[in-house]
Amino acid sequence: IAGITQAPTSQILAAGRRMTLRCTQDMRHNAMYWYRQDLGLGLRLIHYSNTAGTTGKGEVPDGYSVSRANTDDFPLTLASAVPSQTSVYFCASSDSGQSEQFFGPGTRLTVL
Amino acid sequence: GQNIDQPTEMTATEGAIVQINCTYQTSGFNGLFWYQQHAGEAPTFLSYNVLDGLEEKGRFSSFLSRSKGYSYLLLKELQMKDSASYLCAPMDSNYQLIWGAGTKLIIKP
Repeated sequence: IAGITQAPTSQILAAGRRMTLRCTQDMRHNAMYWYRQDLGLGLRLIHYSNTAGTTGKGEVPDGYSVSRANTDDFPLTLASAVPSQTSVYFCASSDSGQSEQFFGPGTRLTVL
Repeated sequence: GQNIDQPTEMTATEGAIVQINCTYQTSGFNGLFWYQQHAGEAPTFLSYNVLDGLEEKGRFSSFLSRSKGYSYLLLKELQMKDSASYLCAPMDSNYQLIWGAGTKLIIKP
């Protein structure tokens, strides 16, 4: 099935633990993005990648890292989770930087 | 700075028409997107405007005025399934989307 998938669907994590959120797309899109969405706020860009092998920082990159080893996968890592990283995380992809973004189903993360 | 302003919540009646306004300030401009997001789900693309004027797509239309930093989304023949949040997102000079907090639309029978 063409589209973008994320794993896990939800996770409860102890503060200080390391966590990787997975994102895979099979649309051969060049660009991929990670957002967090908190109640009452707009989507905020964490990191992005315009093409495989390159990444860039978004609006709120601190505490997060990404890699883009190939076109399909764009994992997001929290090196040492903190409660303020409790949020819903969306991965998205687009054919180019100027085209519409397609979103994955999201990961609901709770850090205690 | 970059800023998006849209109403927090609107209520409309099934079968009616509703207009959701969005004003924006961005560093440069490369078009404006509207997305729909049902509660607990991911945003889905509705429309894209890069030139001034109205773009119509079925029951949904989107309007843009670049000089006024203004856009609206017009929903006609409202259905209960249109109850959702509507997100306005202009694209800045770095091709980054700047997201508003969204307008929660409540449809009443």
